[in-house]
Amino acid sequence: GAGVSQSPRYKVAKRGQDVALRCDPISGHVSLFWYQQALGQGPEFLTYFQNEAQLDKSGLPSDRFFAERPEGSVSTLKIQRTQQEDSAVYLCASSPSPGGKETQYFGPGTRLLVL
Amino acid sequence: DAKTTQPPSMDCAEGRAANLPCNHSTISGNEYVYWYRQIHSQGPQYIIHGLKNNETNEMASLIITEDRKSSTLILPHATLRDTAVYYCIVSPNSGYALNFGKGTSLLVTP
Repeated sequence: GAGVSQSPRYKVAKRGQDVALRCDPISGHVSLFWYQQALGQGPEFLTYFQNEAQLDKSGLPSDRFFAERPEGSVSTLKIQRTQQEDSAVYLCASSPSPGGKETQYFGPGTRLLVL
Repeated sequence: DAKTTQPPSMDCAEGRAANLPCNHSTISGNEYVYWYRQIHSQGPQYIIHGLKNNETNEMASLIITEDRKSSTLILPHATLRDTAVYYCIVSPNSGYALNFGKGTSLLVTP
C-alpha cells in the first residue's frame, strides 16, 4: 500500500521567505510526527499530532515554526522568515495508534536549503 | 540527550554477519528497544524491536541482555544494500517521539 509521502522533495528558499512543507500520512494512522535532521545528525523531534490535536510541540525551535493537521490526516509544517540555520531535511512519520508499539513509518523527507 | 550509546562507525564484509552493539544502561522497565536504519537520502526504516526476549524477523535478529542494559542487532548475511546508519532507540512505545541520537554508520564492503 501507499506509504508516507512528502512534498516537495526539495525546496530552495531565500532567507526571509516563508515555506510550507506537506505530509500525507498512511491512511487511517492516528499519530503523526515531524522531525528535523541536520546534515550528519540523527533526526530530532519537532512536534506530534494525535488526529487533529497537536499534543506536543516542545521540539519546535522557535515561534517561526508552525504545524497543523486540521482534519486529522494531511499535515503542513510552515516556517516563517526562513533563516540559514533552518536548512535541513524535514521528516514526517505516522503510526497507527497512539499507545501501541507499532512502528513509526517515515516519509522520504523534504530537503530545505535556505540561501 | 539520547539514552543509548552506539559506536560511530563499523565495517563489515559482504556475506558476513554484522553485529551492531548498543548500550542502554538507564532503560526503564516499560521501555522497548527499537532499531531503525537510514539509507542515504531516505527516511528512517524500522527494522525490529523487543522488550526483553530475543526477537527475529526477516531483516534481522535482536539480542537483549538479561539485565536489559545492552543489546545487539545482527544482520546475518550483510549485503551492500545494508550500508546505512543504524539507530538504537529506547521508547515506551511508538506513540512517543523517537530519540535517534547519532547512530552507527555501517559500511558493507565487497
